[in-house]
Amino acid sequence: GAGVSQTPSNKVTEKGKYVELRCDPISGHTALYWYRQSLGQGPEFLIYFQGTGAADDSGLPNDRFFAVRPEGSVSTLKIQRTERGDSAVYLCASSPGPGTGGRTQYFGPGTRLTVL
Amino acid sequence: AQTVTQSQPEMSVQEAETVTLSCTYDTSESDYYLFWYKQPPSRQMILVIRQEAYKQQNATENRFSVNFQKAAKSFSLKISDSQLGDAAMYFCAYRQAGGSQGNLIFGKGTKLSVKP
Repeated sequence: GAGVSQTPSNKVTEKGKYVELRCDPISGHTALYWYRQSLGQGPEFLIYFQGTGAADDSGLPNDRFFAVRPEGSVSTLKIQRTERGDSAVYLCASSPGPGTGGRTQYFGPGTRLTVL
Repeated sequence: AQTVTQSQPEMSVQEAETVTLSCTYDTSESDYYLFWYKQPPSRQMILVIRQEAYKQQNATENRFSVNFQKAAKSFSLKISDSQLGDAAMYFCAYRQAGGSQGNLIFGKGTKLSVKP
């Protein structure tokens, strides 16, 4: 089937605004991950969903960041009161879930967020 | 905490030649997974190869192979018969096998250039 998709591809916003980034995982994948990749760095973990629940949100940098996955498929990453330091590429990945086959994560193309 | 180190920020190889990218990691776990991902300018992270720590045999995928040295905590990637399309950022990543910790831990990446 189709791979992981993310929208929008690029988002430019002003400091202090609210943004939502969307991720559509591969159909049937129960695990979903969000990562943030700053310029010149590797991706850094933000949050991990198993089904509808956030199994691990230890990577969220502060309470301005929040993510949901209400029906266990599409996920939305929400950033309130954006700051210039939030500028980065936000990557989403999905995997089949627990079990040997679930160890590989498949990534989307990312959303490049620019906060002016 | 687990860490992944890629000590080569940039590497260059002549087309059709062989190149090796280095990766070391630190963990106290005995069971884990290691990955190499490729990220071209399109931003899409593409899985190149995966290694299970409990397997002594080095993983191979066509022109890509790894040298996994568990005791030394080393996981290098060898690309044979390099092609122009291999030019990209390459990221080494670690993932714990058990528990609820499902996220990948990435190195900072190595930028590979392929000269015609």
